Order: sequence, then structure tokens, then C-alpha cells
Amino acid sequence: AQKITQTQPGMFVQEKEAVTLDCTYDTSDQSYGLFWYKQPSSGEMIFLIYQGSYDEQNATEGRYSLNFQKARKSANLVISASQLGDSAMYFCAMREGHGMRFGAGTRLTVKP
Amino acid sequence: EAGVAQSPRYKIIEKRQSVAFWCNPISGHATLYWYQQILGQGPKLLIQFQNNGVVDDSQLPKDRFSAERLKGVDSTLKIQPAKLEDSAVYLCASSLNLLKGTDTQYFGPGTRLTVL
Repeated sequence: AQKITQTQPGMFVQEKEAVTLDCTYDTSDQSYGLFWYKQPSSGEMIFLIYQGSYDEQNATEGRYSLNFQKARKSANLVISASQLGDSAMYFCAMREGHGMRFGAGTRLTVKP
Repeated sequence: EAGVAQSPRYKIIEKRQSVAFWCNPISGHATLYWYQQILGQGPKLLIQFQNNGVVDDSQLPKDRFSAERLKGVDSTLKIQPAKLEDSAVYLCASSLNLLKGTDTQYFGPGTRLTVL
């Protein structure tokens, strides 16, 4: 069974600095997709970024980039120039076949 | 474009009562998902539909939970009877087509259920 691990329950970052949120995964499949979602206190899950297992380049979406290291089975999210509105829970997720599994999440707090 | 709609947003019931949640996916999305998110955890997939057919319901507690998507558009998730451990946020998500491409899932605001 696939497994997603987020080892950082909580992270703090100073406003305008960059922060990396860790995610490792375990799968025996060659074809899979990795996702990051943001969940603010309002509760809605907001899609941030996607990386396919066959994508040769790291995905980027505005201030978000995904540091994909396939051999190490890691898919870390990098947020550049943090803003106060980035304070939220962040979930890493993997789709393998039809299933979707989420990690336990990391709570990011941006300090002014 | 309208997002995924869910209702109600909040529900409080007593154990052994029944409850139903409603979800309307993004227009044109063939795939619909129901997740359960217990406080402090990531979402756990309960069931997924492709149009009006069930693709995966392996983690749905079928003795008390049921879900349907009769016309392949909106869906209802029911719990009968509810237990204390069912207290959670129930998230609905939809995606364009499970069988294609990146198949990004877009989530609704969720229904927060409290079972007393």
C-alpha cells in the first residue's frame, strides 16, 4: 500500500523568507502523481501544485515549486517569499492508480 | 466557474441518529470523491464515483455509511446510525476524469459533523 509521510507537524517562517515542507512517499508503481494542497482555517482544500512521476522537470506554480527527487522518493514543497496568508495546513498527497492518499499535514505559521 | 458545492456546512446530531450530506461537483466533472477528515489528520478517501458508477468504496464502512450519485452529477453521503467517532469534516471533491491526465481534484468547503 502506498504511504505518504510528512515529518514536520509544524513549521515557522519569517515573512518574505522561503520555506521547505517535506514529503516522502512509498510506492512500488512506476506511474503516479504527487499533489500539494493548502488548507486554511476555513477548511477548504486548495490545490497548489502537481508533479507526475515521469515529469523530468520540477513543477512550479508562481511562488510554489516542487523539489522532486524520484530516487529518494521525496516531493518537497518550496514556498518562496512567504506571506502572512500562507499560514495554513499543507498536505502532500499521492495518486497511484485510482486511489488518493494524503499525508498527516504540516502546519505552517508565517511570522510578521 | 462555480466550485464544488456542499451542504450543510455544519451539522450536530446525537449518536444513533442519521444524517445526510449533499455535494454538487464542478460542472462537467465526471469523477466525484467523498473524504472523511478527522481533526488533526489528512483526508481519508471513503468512496469515488466515475459518472454514476462506484470506482472504489473499499474504505467506506458499509454497515453505516452509504453514498449514491444516481444521475452522475450530484451526490449524497448518508450515515445511519451515527457513532461518536464519525465526528469529522466530510469533504467532497471532483475531477475532470479519473482516467485522464493529471486528474487534479478540486474540493468543496466541507461539512463539519459533530456527533454528541
